[in-house]
Amino acid sequence: AQTVTQSQPEMSVQEAETVTLSCTYDTSESNYYLFWYKQPPSRQMILVIRQEAYKQQNATENRFSVNFQKAAKSFSLKISDSQLGDTAMYFCAFRGGGATNKLIFGTGTLLAVQP
Amino acid sequence: SQTIHQWPATLVQPVGSPLSLECTVEGTSNPNLYWYRQAAGRGLQLLFYSVGIGQISSEVPQNLSASRPQDRQFILSSKKLLLSDSGFYLCAWMAGGPGDTQYFGPGTRLTVL
Repeated sequence: AQTVTQSQPEMSVQEAETVTLSCTYDTSESNYYLFWYKQPPSRQMILVIRQEAYKQQNATENRFSVNFQKAAKSFSLKISDSQLGDTAMYFCAFRGGGATNKLIFGTGTLLAVQP
Repeated sequence: SQTIHQWPATLVQPVGSPLSLECTVEGTSNPNLYWYRQAAGRGLQLLFYSVGIGQISSEVPQNLSASRPQDRQFILSSKKLLLSDSGFYLCAWMAGGPGDTQYFGPGTRLTVL
């Protein structure tokens, strides 16, 4: 069974600095998708970025980028120029090729951006 | 554009009472629909998913059931709530292609007393 591990329960960063959130996963599949979702205090899950496993190039969305290491099964999220609005719980998620298309989530990292 | 709605936003129910949570999607047809539950301080766990009207698959045996009476409507129900049913319930939709992304609704916070 696939698992997703986020080893950093909480992190803190100063406004305008860069922070990296870690995520590792375990799977025997070769084709899959990885996601980072953000859950602010409102608790709505918001997609931050996605990565297709067959793509070697790391995904980037504005200030958010990933470091995808397929062999190491690692998928970290880098947030540049951190802003107060980035304060949230961040979840790493895996989706394999099964019929359910279900997401398997990590336990999350609570990121606090300090002014 | 597509939007997803959930109601109610907050619900407090006594143990043993029934439950009905509703999720609707606008702006798309024949979406895959999902119910997730998030316990306090934890990630999300898939409860049910549906790939079409009347088609429901359960991931976790429990006190809950789901139904999809219309293409873009997904309902989570219980006949008798337990204390352990408390949590944050999220509905999500996906267009259905293998490369698609799941998008989440605003969620329902359920407290069972």
